[in-house]
Amino acid sequence: EAEVAQSPRYKITEKSQAVAFWCDPISGHATLYWYRQILGQGPELLVQFQDESVVDDSQLPKDRFSAERLKGVDSTLKIQPAELGDSAMYLCASSPAGGADTQYFGPGTRLTVL
Amino acid sequence: GQNIDQPTEMTATEGAIVQINCTYQTSGFNGLFWYQQHAGEAPTFLSYNVLDGLEEKGRFSSFLSRSKGYSYLLLKELQMKDSASYLCAVRSHAGNNRKLIWGLGTSLAVNP
Repeated sequence: EAEVAQSPRYKITEKSQAVAFWCDPISGHATLYWYRQILGQGPELLVQFQDESVVDDSQLPKDRFSAERLKGVDSTLKIQPAELGDSAMYLCASSPAGGADTQYFGPGTRLTVL
Repeated sequence: GQNIDQPTEMTATEGAIVQINCTYQTSGFNGLFWYQQHAGEAPTFLSYNVLDGLEEKGRFSSFLSRSKGYSYLLLKELQMKDSASYLCAVRSHAGNNRKLIWGLGTSLAVNP
């Protein structure tokens, strides 16, 4: 069964350092989502791509966060510089047709900022 | 505004039945999803309702009433492995913008 791949699974960094997360969606899925989830809360959408284009990045803290999906397949989310409040689970999801069709999640990256 | 409410925590006994409620207020409703999330793991898709009524899938069923802005997830014959957070998410659209609005999740503890 096809799955969304993410790496790394865990990341520990010090504040002010740069971190990057990678996501490879299910093959053929045009829409890719990056979420941040704080313990005990629901996922918060950071950015949504349709192929290589950004559809929604209204909640992305653009002063420190950036995301790209250059060839419309895999994607990278970067934080520079990391802050203590960035400690969270970063989830990548993909869906076949976009527009909030059923989303399938990767295993996530647990980020701890010290 | 857009809002989804679900209980924060629930407790049930192994073998029993539990109902997790979700109420929502969103613009342009276009479907409701339930996801299961075990601690430290990613959400996994459970069910999708777009029309009123009950959708049954094994031990899990999901119900929707669009007029009441209400859904529930029913879990039967509870097992210890059902201890998890259950997330309600509503597909909303305003103009050309379609997105999922997520609830905070209900943490279910199944006791022996």
